[in-house]
Amino acid sequence: SQTIHQWPATLVQPVGSPLSLECTVEGTSNPNLYWYRQAAGRGLQLLFYSVGIGQISSEVPQNLSASRPQDRQFILSSKKLLLSDSGFYLCAWSLRGLNTEAFFGQGTRLTVV
Amino acid sequence: GQNIDQPTEMTATEGAIVQINCTYQTSGFNGLFWYQQHAGEAPTFLSYNVLDGLEEKGRFSSFLSRSKGYSYLLLKELQMKDSASYLCAVKRAAGNKLTFGGGTRVLVKP
Repeated sequence: SQTIHQWPATLVQPVGSPLSLECTVEGTSNPNLYWYRQAAGRGLQLLFYSVGIGQISSEVPQNLSASRPQDRQFILSSKKLLLSDSGFYLCAWSLRGLNTEAFFGQGTRLTVV
Repeated sequence: GQNIDQPTEMTATEGAIVQINCTYQTSGFNGLFWYQQHAGEAPTFLSYNVLDGLEEKGRFSSFLSRSKGYSYLLLKELQMKDSASYLCAVKRAAGNKLTFGGGTRVLVKP
């Protein structure tokens, strides 16, 4: 069966520090991968999605970047965090194809102080 | 572009029925998904519609009208554990991109 791992679960970082959140998927090949951010009490904002190694699409201009160095690994990064980067970050994967739902990792709650 | 709208909050009584509406505008429509999210947790998949009509899964049903850009999620026989946010999401054919609405927080009262 497929599983998705996302870490860390919580993170407190000072303004101006770097960020690296990692997500890995097991039990499937060539998945679509997504990074979302959720502000408190709000919906999910799509940040990045990837259909293959090295292929990253950015949805909104921001202080973050994403990379996919391996088929089942998706990394969210920042060189210098801003206060506004605080939020709940969720990684997700889906199979290719039409009627394929996305499966989410457990999320990382990031607080920038 | 993509626009997905759903009500912010709804309140209902245990045992009752609640209908959560979702309207969307998108190009290259490739299906509509409903997710449930409890506070502080990741969303979990509830249902998927790509053709017009009603899909039923136990106490939960989802309806889609592609011509109207409209869907609803129907929750029957509400239980306290159904208190959660319900997220409507639309998938576009290009890149299999899945975009979410703002979510509807449902509060079930005894």
